[in-house]
Amino acid sequence: RKEVEQDPGPFNVPEGATVAFNCTYSNSASQSFFWYRQDCRKEPKLLMSVYSSGNEDGRFTAQLNRASQYISLLIRDSKLSDSATYLCVVNNNNDMRFGAGTRLTVKP
Amino acid sequence: GAVVSQHPSWVICKSGTSVKIECRSLDFQATTMFWYRQFPKQSLMLMATSNEGSKATYEQGVEKDKFLINHASLTLSTLTVTSAHPEDSSFYICSARRGSHSAYEQYFGPGTRLTVT
Repeated sequence: RKEVEQDPGPFNVPEGATVAFNCTYSNSASQSFFWYRQDCRKEPKLLMSVYSSGNEDGRFTAQLNRASQYISLLIRDSKLSDSATYLCVVNNNNDMRFGAGTRLTVKP
Repeated sequence: GAVVSQHPSWVICKSGTSVKIECRSLDFQATTMFWYRQFPKQSLMLMATSNEGSKATYEQGVEKDKFLINHASLTLSTLTVTSAHPEDSSFYICSARRGSHSAYEQYFGPGTRLTVT
């Protein structure tokens, strides 16, 4: 079993749609969690951290369920510029492990 | 935010030659740097963790004699792909950690695309 698993997609949605990504991780001792965004042929960039209480940043909402070892990212009112690959990242003892990413394409 | 640079951004080399990639933290000191490799449509895979002044720690399956890592200063780590082969063609990305314990302050370089012909 992979340490971090994501639905690879692709997700093709129209502008304005709401889309949700899921991620599961295998190491129950993992300490912190993140969503990164990676554009084609670019480096990953931190989108947001994920907290047990859930956190929101504008149109983006992240949730963590430690009991189920599950992380989610919700994007509301999607924009064309949201098209990218979204990487779920799990940190254990400062060792970051990346999911394979979920590809999102937002179409006009 | 902190800036990490990589050089070169793109390199083509012939099979059997060696290629050196530099990773620099431009405005902070990085005691730890990481080297990742990403094949098309795949996730980033950690190759090795590099601590300034000590030997790098390689992930299982990564040949340390093939991927030479030097972290000689707090702002520079280098990855040398020795005797490169076409299967080494990939996107190599470094990241640098600022501070000793915070995973929140890990910054990625722009990546180096290596093509071995």
